[in-house]
Amino acid sequence: EVQLVESGGGWVQPGRSLRLSCSASGFTFDDYAMHWVRQVPGKGLEWVSSVSWDSDTVGYAGSVKGRFTISRDNAKNSLYLQMNSLRTEDTAFYYCARDPSPNLYRDYYMDVWGKGTTVTVSS
Amino acid sequence: QSALTQPASVSGSPGQSITISCTGTSSDVAGYNLVSWYQQHPGKAPNLIIYGVHDRPSGVSDRFSGSKSGYTASLTISGLQAEDEAEYFCLSYSSSTTYVFGTGTKVTVL
Repeated sequence: EVQLVESGGGWVQPGRSLRLSCSASGFTFDDYAMHWVRQVPGKGLEWVSSVSWDSDTVGYAGSVKGRFTISRDNAKNSLYLQMNSLRTEDTAFYYCARDPSPNLYRDYYMDVWGKGTTVTVSS
Repeated sequence: QSALTQPASVSGSPGQSITISCTGTSSDVAGYNLVSWYQQHPGKAPNLIIYGVHDRPSGVSDRFSGSKSGYTASLTISGLQAEDEAEYFCLSYSSSTTYVFGTGTKVTVL
């Protein structure tokens, strides 16, 4: 079964850091680009970041650029999101999602999603 | 463009057809055939139901269909069933923000 499982969420104070992980199973992880998407409670979804299969190409939303870093370890079938200088407005449910292609900027949709992990930034 | 505009809620009786709209701009929906749709039941992961405006992934019911006209993409659910009660949201490529999501629509089966 194709599956993505996020972990690493929790409560953190503004200005601190948190690292999210996404464990993939049921498919060949390095055949696909990957994404992070977040959803603020009661609001819509927001694309956060993407990485190509080989980590050569990455992209970030303007709201997180310079603070968040996406990475992946194909040997461990894992995707990561290092979140630094967290702000209260980063409070959201964070999803890991798979791109149908190995490279970015081709299909522009996500074909498999995880169930997400909650990040709360508050003092 | 901060988000594509969707109606907050749409309802219908079993067996009926309903349509959910997703309105954008020339920088996203109108400019490219790169609209996808997702279904999300409470507490579950989102599920892709339409990509490339009107293509269905294998395994998705043909009761779901997508279309686009100008600035608005649409998702139609035919033969509405109780299991279709969920949140639906659209996603489009955007030349300004790369990806832009819709505001989400709650579908209620009466």
